[in-house]
Amino acid sequence: AQTVTQSQPEMSVQEAETVTLSCTYDTSESDYYLFWYKQPPSRQMILVIRQEAYKQQNATENRFSVNFQKAAKSFSLKISDSQLGDAAMYFCAYRSPNNNDMRFGAGTRLTVKP
Amino acid sequence: DAGVTQSPTHLIKTRGQQVTLRCSPKSGHDTVSWYQQALGQGPQFIFQYYEEEERQRGNFPDRFSGHQFPNYSSELNVNALLLGDSALYLCASSLGRPGNEQFFGPGTRLTVL
Repeated sequence: AQTVTQSQPEMSVQEAETVTLSCTYDTSESDYYLFWYKQPPSRQMILVIRQEAYKQQNATENRFSVNFQKAAKSFSLKISDSQLGDAAMYFCAYRSPNNNDMRFGAGTRLTVKP
Repeated sequence: DAGVTQSPTHLIKTRGQQVTLRCSPKSGHDTVSWYQQALGQGPQFIFQYYEEEERQRGNFPDRFSGHQFPNYSSELNVNALLLGDSALYLCASSLGRPGNEQFFGPGTRLTVL
């Protein structure tokens, strides 16, 4: 079964600085999707960025980018120019292409200091 | 365009009771998935409904059941509540095939006393 591991329960970053959140996963599949979700105190999970495993190019969405290392089964999220509104729980998630079961990590709580 | 909505926002029940949670999918979506998020953990997949049938189920006991209506809205029912059922229950909607993006609702916080 696929598992997702986030080894950083908490991270802190100064406003306007850059922070990287780590995620590793275990799978025997060659094709799959990886996601980073943000969950603010309002509880609603918001998709931050998505990566298809067959794409070698790392996904980027404005200030958010990923470092996808397929061989190492690593999928880290970099947040540049951190803003106060970035403070939230961040979850890494894995899904097979034809599977409805999305597997989440335990999350990383990000604090942004003014 | 209305997103995914869930009701109620909060709910308090006692052990042994039964509870029903409701979810309305994002406009145009036909698939609803339910997740349980215990405090301090990531969400865990309960099941997914498509065309009014359970398409896939996670590792949850039969006390957890669901239903999808012709308008694609869905209910999650939990019978014989246990203290360990206390969690945030998230609904996510998507369109069509399994790999499409899921959009999440704000969740229902269930507390079992």
